[in-house]
Amino acid sequence: NAGVTQTPKFQVLKTGQSMTLQCAQDMNHEYMSWYRQDPGMGLRLIHYSVGAGITDQGEVPNGYNVSRSTTEDFPLRLLSAAPSQTSVYFCASSYSPSATDTQYFGPGTRLTVL
Amino acid sequence: DQQVKQNSPSLSVQEGRISILNCDYTNSMFDYFLWYKKYPAEGPTFLISISSIKDKNEDGRFTVFLNKSAKHLSLHIVPSQPGDSAVYFCAASLSAGNMLTFGGGTRLMVKP
Repeated sequence: NAGVTQTPKFQVLKTGQSMTLQCAQDMNHEYMSWYRQDPGMGLRLIHYSVGAGITDQGEVPNGYNVSRSTTEDFPLRLLSAAPSQTSVYFCASSYSPSATDTQYFGPGTRLTVL
Repeated sequence: DQQVKQNSPSLSVQEGRISILNCDYTNSMFDYFLWYKKYPAEGPTFLISISSIKDKNEDGRFTVFLNKSAKHLSLHIVPSQPGDSAVYFCAASLSAGNMLTFGGGTRLMVKP
């Protein structure tokens, strides 16, 4: 049982480049989400999904796209990277959207945009 | 403006003593609160939670206290151990929603 996995661990992009951050979970969780962590700001919700085919925006969605074609995978796409997107990105999953259900986080992807 | 704030970016305590991490919130509609612990190069892991109908929840060495009138919660770790050295995030949720709003984190260092 691998839990929540994220790839890559590190990535450096140039401004304007695009890329996809991968996230997968093997716990059959319906709820998945993406956060970014910036110094002093804590974790901020980018996008989330309550099940395959259903996604919605979080607190800071601009510049990011998501899709959920399977229960297991929830990729995050940066269409045109900007230096403001330099951050550490965490994917999380839980059985349901309820805050009382424990969210399990992946190890993170550290992204630098030059 | 941040709705959940952890005003102390860092805290240093001696092994065996009590660690007290504080968190303040501004939205009175928050009704569920959580603490997460994060080691370097790892994702956050759930530590303990409390519902707004309670004022205290205890799990081993960890106790969370909630003061609704002051919009304040705290995490007590007794006794503190070097393995507790990590960044601690508090988070809050609205009853009708699933989004967690996180504080900025407090780095705890427990010295042997």
